[in-house]
Amino acid sequence: ETGVTQSPTHLIKTRGQQVTLRCSSQSGHNTVSWYQQALGQGPQFIFQYYREEENGRGNFPPRFSGLQFPNYSSELNVNALELDDSALYLCASSKGLPSYNEQFFGPGTRLTVL
Amino acid sequence: AQRVTQPEKLLSVFKGAPVELKCNYSYSGSPELFWYVQYSRQRLQLLLRHISRESIKGFTADLNKGETSFHLKKPFAQEEDSAMYYCALMTTDSWGKFQFGAGTQVVVTP
Repeated sequence: ETGVTQSPTHLIKTRGQQVTLRCSSQSGHNTVSWYQQALGQGPQFIFQYYREEENGRGNFPPRFSGLQFPNYSSELNVNALELDDSALYLCASSKGLPSYNEQFFGPGTRLTVL
Repeated sequence: AQRVTQPEKLLSVFKGAPVELKCNYSYSGSPELFWYVQYSRQRLQLLLRHISRESIKGFTADLNKGETSFHLKKPFAQEEDSAMYYCALMTTDSWGKFQFGAGTQVVVTP
């Protein structure tokens, strides 16, 4: 059974640019949640996708958007990058909603915005 | 707004001593509470959830709705318990949306 994978591991962008982060969910999982973790903070919920539909969103502006594909992998897109977007981005997958089912986290993508 | 507070950023204990990690939450409804753990160079993973009422790796946590707390306890700390611990809240009006605390770093010294 393959665990949750994320790509790239880390990347550096400049203000105003756009970035796409990718997440492959664990085999058999149909729900993906994305989190932003700033240095010294806990993860903050960005949004969740269940069976290709957005199923909930945290307090993030519309320039944070996402997709889930038929194979349940997912993308997080961030437009017009700001310095404060520098963080570790985590994705987590679960079989159904994570309230009832354990969510498994990926290793994260470290984004640095200069 | 919902909030999770972990007042201790760092907790240093000796091996064999009891350890208690504090977690307080603010939410007026019925919450679901979780503890997640991240060991060095490993991924964030679920430790326990209050609805399961389990003891995992010797840890227990009791939901106290009156005090809005969900403290994590272990009677005898082990060196392998050294890790970052996060308390997380999920509310009934936001299924699947987790609110995490800032985390407590636990260091167990021999």
